[in-house]
Amino acid sequence: TQLLEQSPQFLSIQEGENLTVYCNSSSVFSSLQWYRQEPGEGPVLLVTVVTGGEVKKLKRLTFQFGDARKDSSLHITAAQPGDTGLYLCAGPLAEAYKYIFGTGTRLKVLA
Amino acid sequence: DVKVTQSSRYLVKRTGEKVFLECVQDMDHENMFWYRQDPGLGLRLIYFSYDVKMKEKGDIPEGYSVSREKKERFSLILESASTNQTSMYLCASRADRAGNDEQYFGPGTRLTVT
Repeated sequence: TQLLEQSPQFLSIQEGENLTVYCNSSSVFSSLQWYRQEPGEGPVLLVTVVTGGEVKKLKRLTFQFGDARKDSSLHITAAQPGDTGLYLCAGPLAEAYKYIFGTGTRLKVLA
Repeated sequence: DVKVTQSSRYLVKRTGEKVFLECVQDMDHENMFWYRQDPGLGLRLIYFSYDVKMKEKGDIPEGYSVSREKKERFSLILESASTNQTSMYLCASRADRAGNDEQYFGPGTRLTVT
């Protein structure tokens, strides 16, 4: 069974700090997606990483796909209160219409 | 601006009631999904539809059914609601059946069954 484990589960930091959250699996994924879900809303796609070792940047957010395509990380530089939310990673299963989601990292950035 | 809308943000129903959750997308997507989201369990796929009147079971279809009579509308039905179906229900749509396309999610319906 393919699983995506995210760590940490919860993170509370001060504005301006840096942080990294992780998405790990024992299985190889053809791609991984990162979503952010704000309270009371559905998840919104931030990025898709496809190639092993790939690094993508979205303003202060840096996403990396592991060389073996089994893991990914999200690094936020100088976190702001607007970054608060639930960060989810997701990857396609063999039945490609199915995506498996990690349990998420709940981030709170304090002003 | 692409949109997935869900009929209710909050719903409270009694055990044994029949519950309809409706989802509408305006992107002309063929593929639509129903997930439930529970703390510690993440998002789990209930049902998937890849065309009008076509559906496939997801990971947790027991106790649920779906209806897709029009391309833009995908309904989730709880035939006889039970307390263990209290959850956040998320609808999503996607252009391609497979691949790396973005899934667009609705705002969710928080269902409480008492």
